[in-house]
Amino acid sequence: EAGVAQSPRYKIIEKRQSVAFWCNPISGHATLYWYQQILGQGPKLLIQFQNNGVVDDSQLPKDRFSAERLKGVDSTLKIQPAKLEDSAVYLCASSSPGGKETQYFGPGTRLLVL
Amino acid sequence: SQQGEEDPQALSIQEGENATMNCSYKTSINNLQWYRQNSGRGLVHLILIRSNEREKHSGRLRVTLDTSKKSSSLLITASRAADTASYFCATWGSNYQLIWGAGTKLIIKP
Repeated sequence: EAGVAQSPRYKIIEKRQSVAFWCNPISGHATLYWYQQILGQGPKLLIQFQNNGVVDDSQLPKDRFSAERLKGVDSTLKIQPAKLEDSAVYLCASSSPGGKETQYFGPGTRLLVL
Repeated sequence: SQQGEEDPQALSIQEGENATMNCSYKTSINNLQWYRQNSGRGLVHLILIRSNEREKHSGRLRVTLDTSKKSSSLLITASRAADTASYFCATWGSNYQLIWGAGTKLIIKP
């Protein structure tokens, strides 16, 4: 079974530029998560989708971050414009429906904003 | 706010020794999970222990859960260089979010 796929793996941009990350979850997983992980910290949930609907985006900085999952499968997370403090690893995870079970993570995208 | 807090923040041991790390959490839980994160890799699920379980084993991993103390421990026996990683505990918040601690950074010295 293929795991969660993410691209790109690394991205370097200058502040005020825009960037987009892509995630393809495990086949059949209805729930998709985007996390931000700053160096030395645990992951912080940005947004959670159930199929193509948003379950929770309370910690997503909506003035600059946006995410979509139009067909209920793959998802895109965008930052526009980027700030220095957005430098982090962006992790995508998926899980099967049913609530409080295991999440499966992709390798992450490491973003550096200069 | 973080639900889980791992202790210690960093641990360095010799290969072959056992490594123990602890996690404390704040609210009632259905289950608690441990994840590992290697350099350059994403988070990998290690083990899930439910609130009605006290101990669980998986290979060289042993997890205990004490709901009265709101704490869990992860024991890795006979450590190997490949165990070098950060280890996180995670619990479910009230709104179906996984809440993570800051992790324990484990270094296995050859």
